[in-house]
Amino acid sequence: DADVTQTPRNRITKTGKRIMLECSQTKGHDRMYWYRQDPGLGLRLIYYSFDVKDINKGEISDGYSVSRQAQAKFSLSLESAIPNQTALYFCATSAHTGDNTGELFFGEGSRLTVL
Amino acid sequence: GDSVTQMEGPVTLSEEAFLTINCTYTATGYPSLFWYVQYPGEGLQLLLKATKADDKGSNKGFEATYRKETTSFHLEKGSVQVSDSAVYFCALSGAWYGGSQGNLIFGKGTKLSVKP
Repeated sequence: DADVTQTPRNRITKTGKRIMLECSQTKGHDRMYWYRQDPGLGLRLIYYSFDVKDINKGEISDGYSVSRQAQAKFSLSLESAIPNQTALYFCATSAHTGDNTGELFFGEGSRLTVL
Repeated sequence: GDSVTQMEGPVTLSEEAFLTINCTYTATGYPSLFWYVQYPGEGLQLLLKATKADDKGSNKGFEATYRKETTSFHLEKGSVQVSDSAVYFCALSGAWYGGSQGNLIFGKGTKLSVKP
């Protein structure tokens, strides 16, 4: 089984619908992240969490919310989806290394299409 | 703010050709630098990293040297294989003192296709 698991892997929805993407990890890491990948734009950080009680906005948090239900679970919600939120979404985890050298471990991605 | 610029693709090479993907960065403080690779249909995975100036990261025949004087971290491989076809991302870590420790800033990615 994958260390970082995302569900669903693919989702097609309509404008205005509420969508939740879920992420769970078995790596025992404190830190979890949600990124969005768009062609030609690379990856952009949406939200990140350094522990269960710590949630922080990233570069592009507008239109998104997150919940850290447990150390191992971090979900991303789109309260009212819009077409420009069509993208590939990645969850990632990292260990607390005490400096800025830590490696990110990515899930396989959740492809979301908003019609 | 911190940023990463990498050469645009796609890059198409024949098997056994030499590969260079350029990456330059702008950052305050002393970031760590990374190359991640994304194979088709998969998430990103770390290819190599360097944490201070003049360090060389290496893995699977790929190398990159952290050049502070030119703010660069170019990825090289002497002889590419078809299995190296993927998208390559250069990244740097967020500033330690900026409260974004552990967050990565990614370049836009360079797609590499290797033909037999």
